[in-house]
Amino acid sequence: AQSVTQLGSHVSVSEGALVLLRCNYSSSVPPYLFWYVQYPNQGLQLLLKYTTGATLVKGINGFEAEFKKSETSFHLTKPSAHMSDAAEYFCAVNPNNAGNMLTFGGGTRLMVKP
Amino acid sequence: DTAVSQTPKYLVTQMGNDKSIKCEQNLGHDTMYWYKQDSKKFLKIMFSYNNKELIINETVPNRFSPKSPDKAHLNLHINSLELGDSAVYFCASSRDRDSNQPQHFGDGTRLSIL
Repeated sequence: AQSVTQLGSHVSVSEGALVLLRCNYSSSVPPYLFWYVQYPNQGLQLLLKYTTGATLVKGINGFEAEFKKSETSFHLTKPSAHMSDAAEYFCAVNPNNAGNMLTFGGGTRLMVKP
Repeated sequence: DTAVSQTPKYLVTQMGNDKSIKCEQNLGHDTMYWYKQDSKKFLKIMFSYNNKELIINETVPNRFSPKSPDKAHLNLHINSLELGDSAVYFCASSRDRDSNQPQHFGDGTRLSIL
């Protein structure tokens, strides 16, 4: 079985500051990892994904994440926060042998202060 | 040209009623899903269909019955609605069942039971 833990249900940063959203997972097999963003009253939109290859993956809107197998982590970062980044962010894991069945973390609400 | 569309967007109804939510995707994807997002934003998969065939059914009460008339549509019918069914229901689709395929989400249907 797999699980995803997102540390911090709420993260607040100032505009222009570094964004760091934490995600740790447990999986019995090498997983595929995803970050999704949810804006108010909308569905989830894919930010980026890690499947194989380079462990540092770049996504949309200037976000990137690094897969660290030894730490079972997939933290999301952005060098400089923008007001439009305020949203709910979800980390998800998908074991690569179980069909396309996402397990989501509890989400982190990112607030950006002017 | 919405990729994954759900109707209705809002659904307010009385306990004990039967209701349906419709979902359509125009991405040509083979696999579709239903997720439930509770009041704490926790997302959990309910069902998955691949080419009209049920492949995932995650401990969902029998009152919930998905129907896939063709691979572009996955509707959700709910009988005898209960207070605990209040949530946001998301439809999603992916190219196929491979675990590395990202899922594309609709904007959700907010179901409120009075």
